[in-house]
Amino acid sequence: DTEVTQTPKHLVMGMTNKKSLKCEQHMGHRAMYWYKQKAKKPPELMFVYSYEKLSINESVPSRFSPECPNSSLLNLHLHALQPEDSALYLCASSQETGDQPQHFGDGTRLSIL
Amino acid sequence: GDSVTQMEGPVTLSEEAFLTINCTYTATGYPSLFWYVQYPGEGLQLLLKATKADDKGSNKGFEATYRKETTSFHLEKGSVQVSDSAVYFCALSDNAGNMLTFGGGTRLMVKP
Repeated sequence: DTEVTQTPKHLVMGMTNKKSLKCEQHMGHRAMYWYKQKAKKPPELMFVYSYEKLSINESVPSRFSPECPNSSLLNLHLHALQPEDSALYLCASSQETGDQPQHFGDGTRLSIL
Repeated sequence: GDSVTQMEGPVTLSEEAFLTINCTYTATGYPSLFWYVQYPGEGLQLLLKATKADDKGSNKGFEATYRKETTSFHLEKGSVQVSDSAVYFCALSDNAGNMLTFGGGTRLMVKP
């Protein structure tokens, strides 16, 4: 059982839709991450939050908008996505940033029509 | 910058065979090293880790030793099971940053 919960598990949306991905952890971790994973590839880091503040944005297009409402929750707001954005989106958390091991959720599989 | 290189797969083994998945890295300083496993349809799970030279990480019969002299962190298991079929990622985290650098992943297929 994963300790990082992501919803929904699957999402299909059109290019004009607005949707949000949600991630929740109750391990008291203060660092949270969004990754994008394409098929047969390793995860690519998108965003890092540390103590609810955005600390890293890996040059992600503005159609992806992260939000950290509190220390347990992380959202990724999606708007006007492109077909190439179809991927598995993984959330992770760790006690702190740095060399702490990250705990991953099972991801949201996103398909853009 | 930092990088991680893993052997390309897929690696196909029979049940009870010995497993080695090679991993080498390039990094400045003294990174922490990790192996993650991803089962079909799931996220990544931390399998084991090592934080300094000569440390051995172990879990569920898997082992890896942090070799600074050869900049390697090879994953081994003495007797694989069908349930070990998954994709294995080697990764490093430098102590100064927030980022995991992943290798390309190695798919393991274990046949009964």
